[in-house]
Amino acid sequence: EVQLVQSGAEVKKPGESLKISCKGSGYSFTSYWIGWVRQMPGKGLEWMGIIYPGDSNTRYSPSFQGQVTISADKSISTAYLQWSSLKASDTAMYYCARLYSIAAPAGYWGQGTLVTVSS
Amino acid sequence: EIVMTQSPATLSVSPGERATLSCRASQSVSSSLAWYQQKPGQAPRLLIYAASTRATGIPARFSGSGSGTEFTLTISSLQSEDFAVYYCQQYNNWPPYTFGQGTKLEIK
Repeated sequence: EVQLVQSGAEVKKPGESLKISCKGSGYSFTSYWIGWVRQMPGKGLEWMGIIYPGDSNTRYSPSFQGQVTISADKSISTAYLQWSSLKASDTAMYYCARLYSIAAPAGYWGQGTLVTVSS
Repeated sequence: EIVMTQSPATLSVSPGERATLSCRASQSVSSSLAWYQQKPGQAPRLLIYAASTRATGIPARFSGSGSGTEFTLTISSLQSEDFAVYYCQQYNNWPPYTFGQGTKLEIK
């Protein structure tokens, strides 16, 4: 069974750094693209970027380029989303999702990680 | 960036009736269109991909149609568990794979 298990909720202050994770299991982690999707409170879904864990090929949405870093550690089947300096506007639910291929929908989703940034 | 526009924003339908949701792309996405369902407090769930193919385990009452720039999701006979927010998403062009703003399907 394919599973994506994300790290737990975080409460941070503006300016702090953060790295959240998404661990894949039940499939070949290096063979499928994984993406990150942001959902701000009461709002819709936004693709942030995608990564191919097999070779760490990473592509960012223009809106998020330079704002976050997506990475993966294939030795532990885990993808990451990180911020170097959080802002209040980063408060959102973040989902990881596995794509069927590079030009394909997301068939499997993590449960989401709620990030709250508040002073 | 391809802009996806969904209509209506909110749709009120009675259980047992048919619901029709629309999605329009600002330029052609061929058949690279997916529909997702999201219930409160849950992650999105893939319903339809390639515009008209149901994902594994999705009931036959869900159907998708369209190509190019105009797409439709139809739920033939609404069940109580179908009331949720529905998103379309194009995956023809990266960056990025854009979502529509969502249609909230509520009980009439």
